[in-house]
Amino acid sequence: NFMLTQPHSVSESPGKTVTIPCTRSSGSIASNYVQWYQQRPGSAPSTVIYEDNQRPSGVPDRFSGSIDRSSNSASLTISGLKTEDEADYYCQSYDNSNHAVFGGGTQLTVL
Amino acid sequence: EVQLVESGGGLVQPGGSLRLSCAASGFTLSIYWMTWVRQAPGKGLEWVANIKQDGSEKYYVDSVKGRFTISRDNAKNSLHLQMNSLRAEDTAVYYCARDFYPYYSSSSGYDYWGQGTLVSVSS
Repeated sequence: NFMLTQPHSVSESPGKTVTIPCTRSSGSIASNYVQWYQQRPGSAPSTVIYEDNQRPSGVPDRFSGSIDRSSNSASLTISGLKTEDEADYYCQSYDNSNHAVFGGGTQLTVL
Repeated sequence: EVQLVESGGGLVQPGGSLRLSCAASGFTLSIYWMTWVRQAPGKGLEWVANIKQDGSEKYYVDSVKGRFTISRDNAKNSLHLQMNSLRAEDTAVYYCARDFYPYYSSSSGYDYWGQGTLVSVSS
């Protein structure tokens, strides 16, 4: 099976742009869709990106997703950072048996 | 409004059992794959099990195979997770989640999550 590796934490200032990478250890990042979930402290996860780069309704267009075959990674980019974006972010994809695989999560600090 | 509400968590001794439930409302449960995901204290998310619309297919993470059983009752709009032979490492918040699309097993993640129920395994 493969792993999805994320940095433990990132930080950036309000109004700036931050990118969170998610690197797949084996197999192509493009072979299965990547999703991104936001989890604020004490709350359940919520979807901010699905199918690599799609935003559910209600998610602001400050959130965008992409994949990069050359680095075998996916990325979540948040522009115009707001303090309310401070949360843990998890990437997620699927293995060959269509079982979900989650990244370890990245704690985003907006300061 | 789509809602998923978990219940049944609590404190249990190692080797004990618990049955979690997830009450679904605001949508037709019978047309969606459903999933349990857990999160140990201070840790990340871990997929636990999922189940096909009619219950005919069930899949589990290796660490719970033979101990946990996922089931559903579409008539009662509910999803369940029977957890036996519980271990300390099963301590976590357990979330139920709905597949993004109805009718088939998509690879597009989950669009709705419950608020979670805490399972603590300790003597």
